[in-house]
Amino acid sequence: DAGVTQSPTHLIKTRGQQVTLRCSPKSGHDTVSWYQQALGQGPQFIFQYYEEEERQRGNFPDRFSGHQFPNYSSELNVNALLLGDSALYLCASSYRFGEAEGTRTQYFGPGTRLLVL
Amino acid sequence: RKEVEQDPGPFNVPEGATVAFNCTYSNSASQSFFWYRQDCRKEPKLLMSVYSSGNEDGRFTAQLNRASQYISLLIRDSKLSDSATYLCVVKRGGFKTIFGAGTRLFVKA
Repeated sequence: DAGVTQSPTHLIKTRGQQVTLRCSPKSGHDTVSWYQQALGQGPQFIFQYYEEEERQRGNFPDRFSGHQFPNYSSELNVNALLLGDSALYLCASSYRFGEAEGTRTQYFGPGTRLLVL
Repeated sequence: RKEVEQDPGPFNVPEGATVAFNCTYSNSASQSFFWYRQDCRKEPKLLMSVYSSGNEDGRFTAQLNRASQYISLLIRDSKLSDSATYLCVVKRGGFKTIFGAGTRLFVKA
């Protein structure tokens, strides 16, 4: 049973460029959430997708956008990259109906390390 | 003030020691509580959920005090393999998940 997978594992970009990160959820999961983790900090919630729509969003600018495909995989796009966007980007998947709302376990992928120069 | 605050650490303890981590949250509407473990340069992994009645999983005990908006994690008989960052996690409504900054633990031989 494949867990959450993310690609690429590492990425180097320059300021002003655009980047697309990809995530495939764990088998049986229909919901994907994206997080940004800066060095020495906990993960910060970016947004969550299910049924191919953005359902919740954290305090991130519109430069951060996403998409979910019919097979539940997801992309995170970041435009006009800033130095401060350098971080580990984590994808987490879960199944909406498996447990009571609020308690559903999220499984994280290994992340994509983005460095903006 | 951050919505979820943790002792930043690091905690340096010898093998066999008992160590306790504390976490406070500011939003009284928070519904669910968890402890995650994150190894260096790895993804967070769920350690345990935290229930109002308190719960135990082997050497790990989690407690929740809703009145004080306080969560704790106790690790007994620390092992070298317990060295990691421990993240306090709070959920309020749907899937909005708030992580603390984490507490680093180093267990020494």
